[in-house]
Amino acid sequence: AQTVTQSQPEMSVQEAETVTLSCTYDTSESDYYLFWYKQPPSRQMILVIRQEAYKQQNATENRFSVNFQKAAKSFSLKISDSQLGDAAMYFCAYRANDMRFGAGTRLTVKP
Amino acid sequence: NAGVTQTPKFQVLKTGQSMTLQCAQDMNHEYMSWYRQDPGMGLRLIHYSVGAGITDQGEVPNGYNVSRSTTEDFPLRLLSAAPSQTSVYFCASSYSSGGLGTGPYGYTFGSGTRLTVV
Repeated sequence: AQTVTQSQPEMSVQEAETVTLSCTYDTSESDYYLFWYKQPPSRQMILVIRQEAYKQQNATENRFSVNFQKAAKSFSLKISDSQLGDAAMYFCAYRANDMRFGAGTRLTVKP
Repeated sequence: NAGVTQTPKFQVLKTGQSMTLQCAQDMNHEYMSWYRQDPGMGLRLIHYSVGAGITDQGEVPNGYNVSRSTTEDFPLRLLSAAPSQTSVYFCASSYSSGGLGTGPYGYTFGSGTRLTVV
C-alpha cells in the first residue's frame, strides 16, 4: 500500500522568507501524481500544486515550487516570499488510483 | 457551478443513531470518495467509487456504508454511530482515476461535515 510521510508536524517562517515542507512517499508504481493541498482554518481543501511523476521538470505555481526526486521518492514544497495568508495546514498527497494523504504540516507565518 | 456539495455542515449524534452524509457533484466526475480527517492523521480514505454502481473500500471502511446509484450522488451512511466516528468528513470527486493523459487527477473537495458522536 502506498504511504505518504510528512515528518514535520509544525513549521514556522518569517514573513517574506522562504520555507520548505518535506514529504516522502512509498510506492511500487511508476506512474502517479503528487499534490500539495492547503487547508486554512476555513477547512476548505485548496490545491496548491501538482506534479506528474513522468515529468522530470519540477512544477512551479507563482511563489510555490516543488523539488521532486523520483528515485528518492521525495516531494518537498518550497514557499518563497511567505505571506501571512500562507498560514495553514499543508498536506502532501499521492495518487495512482485512489489518493492518499500525509498527516500534514501546520505552517505558521510570523509578521 | 456548485462543484461538490456536502450536507450537513455540522451534526451531533447520539451513540447508536444512524445518519447519512450527503455528497453531490455537478461536474460529471466519474470518481468520488469519502475521507475522514482526524488530528495528526491527515485524511484517511473510507470508501470510493469509480462510477455509478461501483464502490470499493478504502483504508478505514468499518462502520460506514456507501452506494452510488447516480453519477452525481455518493452518500455515506453511518448505521450505528460510535464516538470513534467523531471526525470531519470530506467528500471529493475527480475525473477518471485510471490512465495517464485523462486529466491531472486533482480532487475537488466539498466543504466538509463536522460530526460529533456523544
